[in-house]
Amino acid sequence: QLQLQESGPGLVKASETLSLTCTVSGGSVRRSSYFWGWIRQAPGRGLEWIGSIYYSGSTYYNPSLKSRVTISVDISKNQFSLKLSSVTAADTAIYYCARETPTDTYDNNGSITYFFDYWGQGTLVTVSS
Amino acid sequence: SYELTQPPSLSVSPGQTASITCSGDKLGDKFAFWYQQRPGQSPVLVIYQDDKRPSGIPERFSGSNSGNTATLTISETQAMDEAGYYCQAWDSSTTRVFGGGTTLTVL
Repeated sequence: QLQLQESGPGLVKASETLSLTCTVSGGSVRRSSYFWGWIRQAPGRGLEWIGSIYYSGSTYYNPSLKSRVTISVDISKNQFSLKLSSVTAADTAIYYCARETPTDTYDNNGSITYFFDYWGQGTLVTVSS
Repeated sequence: SYELTQPPSLSVSPGQTASITCSGDKLGDKFAFWYQQRPGQSPVLVIYQDDKRPSGIPERFSGSNSGNTATLTISETQAMDEAGYYCQAWDSSTTRVFGGGTTLTVL
């Protein structure tokens, strides 16, 4: 059974960089076909996709966060990581890592898209002033 | 940017059917995915590719997607179904988009 576990500081100072790691067990980040993503949820709010990485290192980011986000993968440790720079109180949230699996058919636009089928338990990061 | 719109809340009586909608421009041309999030827990995938159920998800959960609206239907709603529900799709490029979420209350 695939498991994902987030780790990192629970408290980050404003203007500094938030760094989190997701450790994958029961499967390999090196396996092709899957993306590995980060999603966050501010207190009392909805889900917000931050970005995703393919095992090869290809990345896709939410345009609203792109200038501050870096996602990387460490195949040797079976981990992938998130860095979010210049944080403010608005970045206070529960941060989830998740695996993305491709659809098995094309949609009406002729695209293969991905969905989040395994999620970590989430970790709360608070930005302090 | 692409947006998905959900009603903020929905109430249903036990045993009744709950229908949660998700609206977006030409959403029917994309695949819709649905997640359930119980209080204090991580989201769980309940519907993928518009109408497919992952292993372990009860048959009471079903989905449809046509035109500009995707719908998650929960038949014979139970107290354990009380949760937040989020739709998700991709925009025209590679951006993953979530709806704002619907809080389902069973009372």
